[in-house]
Amino acid sequence: AQSVTQLGSHVSVSEGALVLLRCNYSSSVPPYLFWYVQYPNQGLQLLLKYTSAATLVKGINGFEAEFKKSETSFHLTKPSAHMSDAAEYFCAVKMDSSYKLIFGSGTRLLVRP
Amino acid sequence: DAGVTQSPTHLIKTRGQQVTLRCSPKSGHDTVSWYQQALGQGPQFIFQYYEEEERQRGNFPDRFSGHQFPNYSSELNVNALLLGDSALYLCASSFAGRADTQYFGPGTRLTVL
Repeated sequence: AQSVTQLGSHVSVSEGALVLLRCNYSSSVPPYLFWYVQYPNQGLQLLLKYTSAATLVKGINGFEAEFKKSETSFHLTKPSAHMSDAAEYFCAVKMDSSYKLIFGSGTRLLVRP
Repeated sequence: DAGVTQSPTHLIKTRGQQVTLRCSPKSGHDTVSWYQQALGQGPQFIFQYYEEEERQRGNFPDRFSGHQFPNYSSELNVNALLLGDSALYLCASSFAGRADTQYFGPGTRLTVL
């Protein structure tokens, strides 16, 4: 069965520092990959998605992610963290043979002033 | 352009009761998926409705059922509530295609006492 692993349940960075949130998936066939953000007491907002076009995907709010098939990874990065980036981030995968999203357990990003 | 809306925002029920949650999809979308997000976890897929039929189901018992109306809105029903059903229930809408992105609503917080 497909699965998504997010390394680090909590990541803490200083304001202005690089943000790196890790995501690995288990699949022999390249899936569709997504990053969502969830602010407290809210639903999920789509940050970006990979659908087999360019391997470097740019999203909203300055985030981007790179699909690496050889490493089965889809890590999320942002060059400079803002206080407003503090939230929970979820990586998700969807196979072409399925309609459902499979989510990782999430990474909570803390941004220190 | 209205996004995905859900009602109610919060709900408190007691064990054994039944609950109905409602979702209106984003304008132009025809497909609705439901997810359960327990505290501190990623969302888990319950089922997806398209053309008023359930077309994929996750690993949830028959106590969880749904319906989609001709206007594409949807209901999630949970019977015989258990304490473990306490969670944030998220609705997501999309187009019918497998590759299409799912957009999430704000969720309904269900507490079972």
